[in-house]
Amino acid sequence: AQKVTQAQTEISVVEKEDVTLDCVYETRDTTYYLFWYKQPPSGELVFLIRRNSFDEQNEISGRYSWNFQKSTSSFNFTITASQVVDSAVYFCALTASGAGSYQLTFGKGTKLSVIP
Amino acid sequence: GAGVSQSPRYKVAKRGQDVALRCDPISGHVSLFWYQQALGQGPEFLTYFQNEAQLDKSGLPSDRFFAERPEGSVSTLKIQRTQQEDSAVYLCASSPREVGGDYNEQFFGPGTRLTVL
Repeated sequence: AQKVTQAQTEISVVEKEDVTLDCVYETRDTTYYLFWYKQPPSGELVFLIRRNSFDEQNEISGRYSWNFQKSTSSFNFTITASQVVDSAVYFCALTASGAGSYQLTFGKGTKLSVIP
Repeated sequence: GAGVSQSPRYKVAKRGQDVALRCDPISGHVSLFWYQQALGQGPEFLTYFQNEAQLDKSGLPSDRFFAERPEGSVSTLKIQRTQQEDSAVYLCASSPREVGGDYNEQFFGPGTRLTVL
């Protein structure tokens, strides 16, 4: 069974602050993919990043960065210099790799509010 | 290009009514998925189609839920005799290829918010 835990239900930060969203996962699969999605008020899930379990390199994309630590089963997401447009619900998700890799298991999400 | 579209965006039903939710995937996408997202929760997998074949319906919560994709493009999720616990956002996603091998990116639609009174 797979499980994704996002312990932070809601976070509020003031614009320009840095914020880290936590994600801890459980899986019996030896290879898997991890994801982060953004869900703005419009409802559509917007893909942010996919990480293969083989690749533990951290990644930076503009103001976004991701810290994948297999030893602690964590895949945390940091937004640097937050902006009001970052306000949304953010979901961490997991799926097995290979055949059958299509059922995404999502966490409950973290609602981020960036206050001007 | 056009993304995944869903209609209606909002649906209010009285308990016991039947509803039909439509998903138009990205043109040419082979795989189609339905997810249910309850309030304050993450999406949960319902069912998967490869072209017109429904290969996995393990996530459908009861036999009141039925999905089809008869021509391998548009899909309809039907809920019979709706109950209050069916209230949720129903998300559709499509992928360009069949599943298997390397991961096949899922592109999500805006969802249909169903409220059962």
